[in-house]
Amino acid sequence: GAGVSQSPRYKVAKRGQDVALRCDPISGHVSLFWYQQALGQGPEFLTYFQNEAQLDKSGLPSDRFFAERPEGSVSTLKIQRTQQEDSAVYLCASSARGGDLNSNQPQHFGDGTRLSIL
Amino acid sequence: GNSVTQMEGPVTLSEEAFLTINCTYTATGYPSLFWYVQYPGEGLQLLLKATKADDKGSNKGFEATYRKETTSFHLEKGSVQVSDSAVYFCALRQGGKLIFGQGTELSVKP
Repeated sequence: GAGVSQSPRYKVAKRGQDVALRCDPISGHVSLFWYQQALGQGPEFLTYFQNEAQLDKSGLPSDRFFAERPEGSVSTLKIQRTQQEDSAVYLCASSARGGDLNSNQPQHFGDGTRLSIL
Repeated sequence: GNSVTQMEGPVTLSEEAFLTINCTYTATGYPSLFWYVQYPGEGLQLLLKATKADDKGSNKGFEATYRKETTSFHLEKGSVQVSDSAVYFCALRQGGKLIFGQGTELSVKP
């Protein structure tokens, strides 16, 4: 497909388990973003990659959250020792060029992974 | 820091009614502004954007004008349809990342 693909679509885990969420961006897109969307809220920024470089991880809520994009394409968001407050929809987005201060490249979003921690 | 505030929902309208969803922002400089829409069960889709003051973004009958004097980017549509029922998010671009408002749910009744 031509869009951003995320898997799994739904993930249920017990508190304390580790989870890994995958994002396949649009082919050739340089920039990749992860957002967290709590129920009834707008998405909140987690982290940003330009190619394989993680340029901004200021939104990661704790050191239990880790993201990587080793070959500058597919990205994985990992959450260790999950807690109930981690329950949310995790959105991935990609854009064609690098995100400089004046960039107005649109970000294209995937359908998200809904994570539920029991 | 930069932030976006939207009017609270849900907003319920009859088909063919006029729609306004208010959005104001706080930012240093003049960021690009966006409206995204999230239909039930789907991901976020870009609806329209404006990159500088007085720009008007438009798409699918929706419009929004970048007003720097009032720091606003209100979304309008002259005649809504049932198919417009969705959650609408206003956002600004800060560096690479987007900062979103909390979203406004719109429900259009036939």
